[in-house]
Amino acid sequence: KAGVTQTPRYLIKTRGQQVTLSCSPISGHRSVSWYQQTPGQGLQFLFEYFSETQRNKGNFPGRFSGRQFSNSRSEMNVSTLELGDSALYLCASSQDRANTEAFFGQGTRLTVV
Amino acid sequence: AQSVTQLGSHVSVSEGALVLLRCNYSSSVPPYLFWYVQYPNQGLQLLLKYTSAATLVKGINGFEAEFKKSETSFHLTKPSAHMSDAAEYFCAVSDQSDYKLSFGAGTTVTVRA
Repeated sequence: KAGVTQTPRYLIKTRGQQVTLSCSPISGHRSVSWYQQTPGQGLQFLFEYFSETQRNKGNFPGRFSGRQFSNSRSEMNVSTLELGDSALYLCASSQDRANTEAFFGQGTRLTVV
Repeated sequence: AQSVTQLGSHVSVSEGALVLLRCNYSSSVPPYLFWYVQYPNQGLQLLLKYTSAATLVKGINGFEAEFKKSETSFHLTKPSAHMSDAAEYFCAVSDQSDYKLSFGAGTTVTVRA
């Protein structure tokens, strides 16, 4: 079956703009989590959605938001982009919230200039 | 709150030699533990997981890890390194209260011919 699909793979944005990233989980998976990966901070949890509800949120400013649709697809949005938002954004899906087997997409590489 | 410490940010091994990557965790409740591998410009791939069943866990590509509660460790080993093992490896912990994955800083493995 198809894996986790993230679009786009690469993105270049200007400071102050906003961006929306998309994640399509594996069919049947209801939990979607987002992570930010940077060389300095490593992998950091952004948020988790399950059944269209945000269940958990990491320590990120309110400029980072997300949502999940009824088909479990998820989007994350970053408003008023800063240079420090440049990162690889990874989406992970799992069948349930226990995350005993989370499958990651290839990520979206966001560069803010 | 749970956290993970990976000892050694870089490990260099000869092809055919033992690979040993160290991971120690702290968790206030029985944890789930994971090892992931990441190749350049790719997402994370699950190598293996511990979810309170057998303490010696076998994963893909010949990797295995042993959960030692007394040492709060979950070290990853592979008896014989292959060139294709060159990648970055992440240890992660998830507890059963909020399910988010907390990652270690990662260990980059290089394999010498």
